[in-house]
Amino acid sequence: QVQLVQSGAEVKKPGASVKVSCKASGYIFTGYYMQWVRQAPGQGLEWMGWINPLTGGTAYAQKFQGRVTVTRDSSIRTVYMELQRLRSDDTAVYYCARAGEGNSSPNYWGQGTLVTVSS
Amino acid sequence: EIVLTQSPATLSLSPGERATLSCRASQSLGSYLAWYQQKPGQAPRLLIYDASNRATGIPARFSGSGSGTDFTLVISSLEPEDFAVYYCQHRSNWPPALTFGGGTKVEIK
Repeated sequence: QVQLVQSGAEVKKPGASVKVSCKASGYIFTGYYMQWVRQAPGQGLEWMGWINPLTGGTAYAQKFQGRVTVTRDSSIRTVYMELQRLRSDDTAVYYCARAGEGNSSPNYWGQGTLVTVSS
Repeated sequence: EIVLTQSPATLSLSPGERATLSCRASQSLGSYLAWYQQKPGQAPRLLIYDASNRATGIPARFSGSGSGTDFTLVISSLEPEDFAVYYCQHRSNWPPALTFGGGTKVEIK
């Protein structure tokens, strides 16, 4: 079965960086795009970016351009999302989510990683 | 940039009642709209894709309809486990983006 297992919660200071991992299993890793979506406390869902694990090609939301980097290591079936220059309003749960066929709507989600940014 | 507007923000209903949720897009989406359910502390779950197709394992009481700019999610008879927040979502290739609506909370009356 498809599983996405994310790294554990992080506490960071403003200005620092965080790197969240998402280990995939149960499907052909290079066959499906992976999305990153975040959710601030009590708020809605916000897309950050995606990666094509086959090519390494990425796309990012304009809001995060220059601050977010999504990468993958196909040898260990893991996708990473790094967010730099953290601010307090980056405090959120970060999800990886595997897209469906042809980069369609994500149908498998990781359990989420809480990133807390606080001085 | 596509904007998805969901209404109402909150829907207060009793178990067994019918829930009708709306999602309006700022420009035509064709049929490329999905619906998700999210419960507290959980990741979203895909319910409907391409406007009207139920995802694997989704009960038949969930149905989606619409095209263009107006879409609807109907829960025909609310079960206790259906009280949650529902999001509509669209994926565009250019500019590349996943866009989510603001959500509708279905709460117990």
